[in-house]
Amino acid sequence: EPEVTQTPSHQVTQMGQEVILRCVPISNHLYFYWYRQILGQKVEFLVSFYNNEISEKSEIFDDQFSVERPDGSNFTLKIRSTKLEDSAMYFCASRWDRVLTQPQHFGDGTRLSIL
Amino acid sequence: DAKTTQPNSMESNEEEPVHLPCNHSTISGTDYIHWYRQLPSQGPEYVIHGLTSNVNNRMASLAIAEDRKSSTLILHRATLRDAAVYYCILRDVGYGGSQGNLIFGKGTKLSVKP
Repeated sequence: EPEVTQTPSHQVTQMGQEVILRCVPISNHLYFYWYRQILGQKVEFLVSFYNNEISEKSEIFDDQFSVERPDGSNFTLKIRSTKLEDSAMYFCASRWDRVLTQPQHFGDGTRLSIL
Repeated sequence: DAKTTQPNSMESNEEEPVHLPCNHSTISGTDYIHWYRQLPSQGPEYVIHGLTSNVNNRMASLAIAEDRKSSTLILHRATLRDAAVYYCILRDVGYGGSQGNLIFGKGTKLSVKP
């Protein structure tokens, strides 16, 4: 069964540094998402992306965050200047169709640790 | 999005059925009921969804109350692999507008005893 893959599985970065988290969504999917989960807390929506532009974003997704689909397969989340509170699991998800009943398929996440 | 209420935790014995409840008293007529689960150290995983009628798939069954103010996810024979946090999420069906981001609550943590 097709999967969403995320790399790396664990990223350790110094505070203030830039970090790029990478995702390869399922190949024929059209809608892409990033979520994060701080240890012990709820999964939180960050941003949705469709047709090469951001569709929705949460309050968490401030100017330090950006997303890009640089080619036909990758979907990236960049944090420009990381803060300690950015430490979390980051999940990428994709969905096939604009029909909202279609399920989202999640990757297994990247654990981001900010030192 | 309408709010859902789930118990914080439940326990089950292996190979027994599990009924996971969800209350959604403010559900609107166009809200679908979705269930996802999150196994330890993994991303959320789609389980099942429905609107009004009960639904079955290879993973589970979804029983929806006639007034749609509550629903129950049924695992027919729990296995150790079913130990996870189960999330009940309402999504308004529609074309355009919101692009379908999911709003997760705290869910129900299911423990399965051998």
